[in-house]
Amino acid sequence: QVQLQESGPGLVKPSQTLSLTCTVSGGSISNVDYYWSWIRQHPGKGLEWIGYIYYSGSTYYNPSLKSRVTISVDTSKNQFSLNLSSVTAADTAVYYCTLIVGASNAFDIWGQGTMVTVSS
Amino acid sequence: QSALTQPASVSGSPGQSITISCTGTSGDVANYNLVSWYQQHPGKAPKLMIYEGSKRPSGVSNRFFGSKSGNTASLTISGLQAEDEADYYCCSYAGSSGYVVFGGGTKLTVL
Repeated sequence: QVQLQESGPGLVKPSQTLSLTCTVSGGSISNVDYYWSWIRQHPGKGLEWIGYIYYSGSTYYNPSLKSRVTISVDTSKNQFSLNLSSVTAADTAVYYCTLIVGASNAFDIWGQGTMVTVSS
Repeated sequence: QSALTQPASVSGSPGQSITISCTGTSGDVANYNLVSWYQQHPGKAPKLMIYEGSKRPSGVSNRFFGSKSGNTASLTISGLQAEDEADYYCCSYAGSSGYVVFGGGTKLTVL
């Protein structure tokens, strides 16, 4: 069973870049059936899809965040990462890494989530 | 890219059935059979309950039923139990214009 674990700073200053990593265990990040995704949840609010990446490097981003988001894969470490640039307080949220299996577009597996606060 | 529309809250008594609606557009729910539903308990990560509109992942109770009509998807929970009290989110594929869109979430209270 694939498991996901987010890691990264819990506090980021405004205008800086938020960087998170998701470590994949129990499966290969190069599996042709998997899409790796990031989703966030603002405090007390709903879910917001950020984007996803295929092991080949193909990326798909939320149009509202596209100009600031980069998702990448490191096959040697079995990890994928999120970079969100020029952050503001509005980017304060719990960030989840997730896995889509196959063409279902359903987020089958979730990490536990990591809280990131943007504040000076 | 607009969020899917869900009721803010629903409630029901143990043993009863409830239905949560999720209204989208021709660009998402109506055009793709790729609606999924998630259950989220406080402080926990969401859990996939329904995918591709009506399919249940292994381990999910058959008390959870997904359906779709036109641009509205629905999640029905039968035989309500106290453990079903949680937030529920719908999600749909939205094509190349936006790819993924979520509903605002529905808080289910078991009375």
